Parts: sequence; C-alpha cells; structure tokens
Amino acid sequence: DAKTTQPPSMDCAEGRAANLPCNHSTISGNEYVYWYRQIHSQGPQYIIHGLKNNETNEMASLIITEDRKSSTLILPHATLRDTAVYYCIVRVHQGAQKLVFGQGTRLTINP
Amino acid sequence: DTGVSQNPRHKITKRGQNVTFRCDPISEHNRLYWYRQTLGQGPEFLTYFQNEAQLEKSRLLSDRFSAERPKGSFSTLEIQRTEQGDSAMYLCASSLSLLLQETQYFGPGTRLLVL
Repeated sequence: DAKTTQPPSMDCAEGRAANLPCNHSTISGNEYVYWYRQIHSQGPQYIIHGLKNNETNEMASLIITEDRKSSTLILPHATLRDTAVYYCIVRVHQGAQKLVFGQGTRLTINP
Repeated sequence: DTGVSQNPRHKITKRGQNVTFRCDPISEHNRLYWYRQTLGQGPEFLTYFQNEAQLEKSRLLSDRFSAERPKGSFSTLEIQRTEQGDSAMYLCASSLSLLLQETQYFGPGTRLLVL
C-alpha cells in the first residue's frame, strides 16, 4: 500500500504557482520523498526528490516540513502543459526498491 | 534522446494469443523494472532485473507472464494466453545503482488491448 496521502484533484490558473500537498506521516528516517508526474497516455516523469532539506530544480521546488510528515511540490509558474497526475512516493534512496504509487493528484491548469 | 524506449507503443490482440513487449533501458543502467497500469490507477510493480538476473517478482506476475533480460541490456515481457484482464499499459523503467542515488526513469509504455 502507498505510504502517502494526496488530494484526488486540484485546479490552478495558468501562470500562478501550483502547490501540491502530500502527507507521509509514517515516513522512516532513511526514506526519501519522490515526486513523479504522468501526462495523459505517457509514462511517469521524474520531477524531484528530497530527504529533509528543501530542494529546487528546473522543474519544481520541494518543501519538506521539519518533522518530515508532509511535503509540498511547487510548480512556480504553471502552464497548460503541467496538467497531469502528480504522484508523491516515499522510498529508500539506495537499493532496488519498487515504486509504490498511490492514486496521485490530478492537477488541471486552467487558462 | 537516449531515454527508455518501449516497443510496440500499442498492441491489440485477441484473447488467447501471446504477446511480447520490448524495453530498451537508458544506456548503462543496470536495473530494469516492469510495471503495469490499469485505467484510473497508479502503476503497479511487476518485476525487476539487476543486470541479467531477475531478482523480484510481484504476485501480480502470474505464470502466464515471463520476463527476460538475457544480456543485461534490453528486456522482454511476454504474456501467454492473453485474457481481457491483461488489458493495461505496461511500463518499463531503468535506473543506475550508485552509492548515493537511484532514480527510476520510465519509458512511454506499451498499451495492450485484449479483445
């Protein structure tokens, strides 16, 4: 079973920041938070991951709370192409471990 | 683009037929994973390889399913005697096991429809 809880759907206006929450209250000390997204009929796309510090790359920012029980993925200037299902996954960083996907959040960017 | 590739992208078959899918991982990635995704659900793990060795199989992988990675590079997933319930997107992912990180990168998937 997935170890994360996400809202099933969210809407955001184009050009605004999209903030996607994820709860992972049972996360272990050696587990990282990963985010993937899946645009309709495509394979999942890796976005970002983090352990406890905030992370930023060219796609998004990841904010992890101090107690690590929740996190937020931020798309700073959402575009229509960001419409997708976003998955938050916790897993250990090293070693072969399957990804356990939940239902994700269906993010719709509106013009 | 040297990402993960999968072929075919789409497959329509009749119930009872055998089908085979191919996955070419990112060059030099030593781990390869297969997942299955049904409509409205997240992907579910099927099996994974480290080099040519198949190290884990999900209970979802019935005896009609077989996967190989003969030379530690590309992999094939075969489904024998297909059933309508096998209709799904089959996803392949690869990763490189390094000391400090291992991120899985997915291919575009093969969409199977069993009539």
